Amino acid sequence: QKEVEQDPGPLSVPEGAIVSLNCTYSNSAFQYFMWYRQYSRKGPELLMYTYSSGNKEDGRFTAQVDKSSKYISLFIRDSQPSDSATYLCAICWGGNNRKLIWGLGTSLAVNP
Amino acid sequence: DTAVSQTPKYLVTQMGNDKSIKCEQNLGHDTMYWYKQDSKKFLKIMFSYNNKELIINETVPNRFSPKSPDKAHLNLHINSLELGDSAVYFCASSQDVREGPEAFFGQGTRLTVV
Repeated sequence: QKEVEQDPGPLSVPEGAIVSLNCTYSNSAFQYFMWYRQYSRKGPELLMYTYSSGNKEDGRFTAQVDKSSKYISLFIRDSQPSDSATYLCAICWGGNNRKLIWGLGTSLAVNP
Repeated sequence: DTAVSQTPKYLVTQMGNDKSIKCEQNLGHDTMYWYKQDSKKFLKIMFSYNNKELIINETVPNRFSPKSPDKAHLNLHINSLELGDSAVYFCASSQDVREGPEAFFGQGTRLTVV
């Protein structure tokens, strides 16, 4: 089993839709759970991260971690065409080990 | 001001050649990384340096050699390039491990080996 699994999509939604992006992971010792956004021909940029479990909200974006299910989610409300990108989940152990384990990324297209 | 900058942005070269990619960060971070992103968009870490010291060295062919002259620079030299080396190579940096996990990425170097 891979350490992080993410459905690569592609996912296509109409403008204004609520988007749900998900990853599962295998090791319960992971502590940081991150979502990066990558536009075409650009480097990934961090959207938000959570430490341990719980929810975090930033504008139209909400990140959730369910450690009991080893499941992380990113919700995008009122999606915009500018949200069209690849969304990558990444996790790491924390402490001095900063090796990020990456999902494959989900390609999202928001259609006007 | 570009936080993490890599040069060149594009690199097309023939098999067997040796090439280098340079990376510089002006964020004052202690840790720098090289990642490889293949055609399927999978991002895989290759190396990580903390204060010029190698701390992560994944299973990467010996043809790849990172060099960190100071903590703001991390270069990647590749010998005897092969077709399978074609990918996008990203440099990234992060601050002290106690400050959070965020990594800042450069724009990538798109390497094509022909």
